[in-house]
Amino acid sequence: KQEVTQIPAALSVPEGENLVLNCSFTDSAIYNLQWFRQDPGKGLTSLLLIQSSQREQTSGRLNASLDKSSGRSTLYIAASQPGDSATYLCAVHMNRDDKIIFGKGTRLHILP
Amino acid sequence: GAGVSQSPSNKVTEKGKDVELRCDPISGHTALYWYRQRLGQGLEFLIYFQGNSAPDKSGLPSDRFSAERTGESVSTLTIQRTQQEDSAVYLCASRTIQGVGYTFGSGTRLTVV
Repeated sequence: KQEVTQIPAALSVPEGENLVLNCSFTDSAIYNLQWFRQDPGKGLTSLLLIQSSQREQTSGRLNASLDKSSGRSTLYIAASQPGDSATYLCAVHMNRDDKIIFGKGTRLHILP
Repeated sequence: GAGVSQSPSNKVTEKGKDVELRCDPISGHTALYWYRQRLGQGLEFLIYFQGNSAPDKSGLPSDRFSAERTGESVSTLTIQRTQQEDSAVYLCASRTIQGVGYTFGSGTRLTVV
């Protein structure tokens, strides 16, 4: 059974710092991996999606990497801003016609 | 529409009443998913639709929960005889059959009092 773990559960850093959020999964036979952002009381916003054949994806100040063989993904946020404060969720998709499995998220707080 | 639309955005109901939650997926998205998120918890999978059939409903917590979908459009999640533990945000997501990414709605916040 696939399990997705995110470390740390919560993180506070001063504005301007670069930071890394970690995601690990127990079954490496994934179809793809997706990072989401969730703001309090809101739904989920997709940030980056990495196909199983890819190693990384970039969007602006965000970079997500995938090491399928070791069951790990990282989300790198450069030059953090207070507006980056949110919960970041990692989710894996085992095959095209199946549900995605979420980690419990990392609650990020950027200190002004 | 441009995004996944869920209604109502908030629902307060008395324990024991039935509720219906609605999800309008993005036009053309054949796959539709329901998730539940309790306060301070992660997302729990409830049910997955491909068209109007549900190949995976393993996450429905009890027989009080049911869902249906009309063709490749609207889905409703029905909770009968609501209990306080049903209080949560119910999220819907959709994607195309070939698609690789999910688009989520803003959710319905259900409070059972």
